[in-house]
Amino acid sequence: EDQVTQSPEALRLQEGESSSLNCSYTVSGLRGLFWYRQDPGKGPEFLFTLYSAGEEKEKERLKATLTKKESFLHITAPKPEDSATYLCAVQAGTGNQFYFGTGTSLTVIP
Amino acid sequence: NAGVTQTPKFRVLKTGQSMTLLCAQDMNHEYMYWYRQDPGMGLRLIHYSVGEGTTAKGEVPDGYNVSRLKKQNFLLGLESAAPSQTSVYFCASRTATRQGSNTGELFFGEGSRLTVL
Repeated sequence: EDQVTQSPEALRLQEGESSSLNCSYTVSGLRGLFWYRQDPGKGPEFLFTLYSAGEEKEKERLKATLTKKESFLHITAPKPEDSATYLCAVQAGTGNQFYFGTGTSLTVIP
Repeated sequence: NAGVTQTPKFRVLKTGQSMTLLCAQDMNHEYMYWYRQDPGMGLRLIHYSVGEGTTAKGEVPDGYNVSRLKKQNFLLGLESAAPSQTSVYFCASRTATRQGSNTGELFFGEGSRLTVL
């Protein structure tokens, strides 16, 4: 069965304290791994897509990496405005469906 | 460019009542999806559509019906609402292919919060 697991469930960081969020997956025929940011009361907002192991993408303080079993979202010197829930999703098989993890709730304290 | 628009944003129903959630996208996307999001459960796929006139079941389709009569619209219906259907519902859409393959990021609406009493 296709599965996506995110850890930790919640993370509190001091402003400027770098860390990483993990997304591990077990799927057949990965087509893409996606990272989203979700603010309270809002819909998920697309951040990155990774298609193959070894690929990396960067955007401001965020960097996403991918291996054959997991992906990391590295947050460098976070700011309070980075506080949100970060969701990971994988697209596999025929590609018609996406499987989401339960997310990591990040709080950055000033 | 509005993207993905969901209506209504909030709704309270009594058990047994019916309602329809409307999703409209203006990006000419082929694929459309309905998800529900519950605390600790993540986003779970209810139904999806790969094009106008098509629908398919996702992970949790029971108690819901959908229709895609027009490419830009995807309707989610609850025929007889139950308290277990209290949730936040998200619609999403995507293009059919990217880089020549059946892949591509989802674009989400702002959500519809449904409470069933």
